[in-house]
Amino acid sequence: EAGVTQFPSHSVIEKGQTVTLRCDPISGHDNLYWYRRVMGKEIKFLLHFVKESKQDESGMPNNRFLAERTGGTYSTLKVQPAELEDSGVYFCASSQDSRVRAFFGQGTRLTVV
Amino acid sequence: GENVEQHPSTLSVQEGDSAVIKCTYSDSASNYFPWYKQELGKRPQLIIDIRSNVGEKKDQRIAVTLNKTAKHFSLHITETQPEDSAVYFCAAPPDTGRRALTFGSGTRLQVQP
Repeated sequence: EAGVTQFPSHSVIEKGQTVTLRCDPISGHDNLYWYRRVMGKEIKFLLHFVKESKQDESGMPNNRFLAERTGGTYSTLKVQPAELEDSGVYFCASSQDSRVRAFFGQGTRLTVV
Repeated sequence: GENVEQHPSTLSVQEGDSAVIKCTYSDSASNYFPWYKQELGKRPQLIIDIRSNVGEKKDQRIAVTLNKTAKHFSLHITETQPEDSAVYFCAAPPDTGRRALTFGSGTRLQVQP
């Protein structure tokens, strides 16, 4: 069974540019989460999809971040325009049910210069 | 919302010693408590989890204990090995109104050979 996959693994962009991160959850997992880890600190919640619907987006830092999950399969997270403080590792996770095990992707390391 | 506190932030032990990491949570309705291990440059991996209907769970050298009254749970690693070196995260279950895990701040465990 394929795990959660994320693309790209690394991205270096200039301040003001746009970047789109992609996450493919485990097949059949309705719940998809985006998290971010900045500067080796805690893993912070960004948002949660149940199928194609945004269940909770209270962790999104501002309106420069836009997440979509069209069709309830893969998800994208777009940052536009990127700022220096957006640098970090963005993780995606998925689970069958919101109260059971969540599995993480390998993350996308975003560096804004 | 849910608040998870994790201690210590760093822990150094000699190979063969035991390591204990503690977390407290705020939502008394919480009923699922996972622990994740993140090795350098890799994805967070679920290593053990416990539900609130049991007080302890063991898996070889790893154990988790839960005290629901005091709202804290701990990770115990016995006979530590250098490959146990990693950052460990506890997580609290979804709180009322939000269904994504809230993570602790992480513990960097260093096992000295």
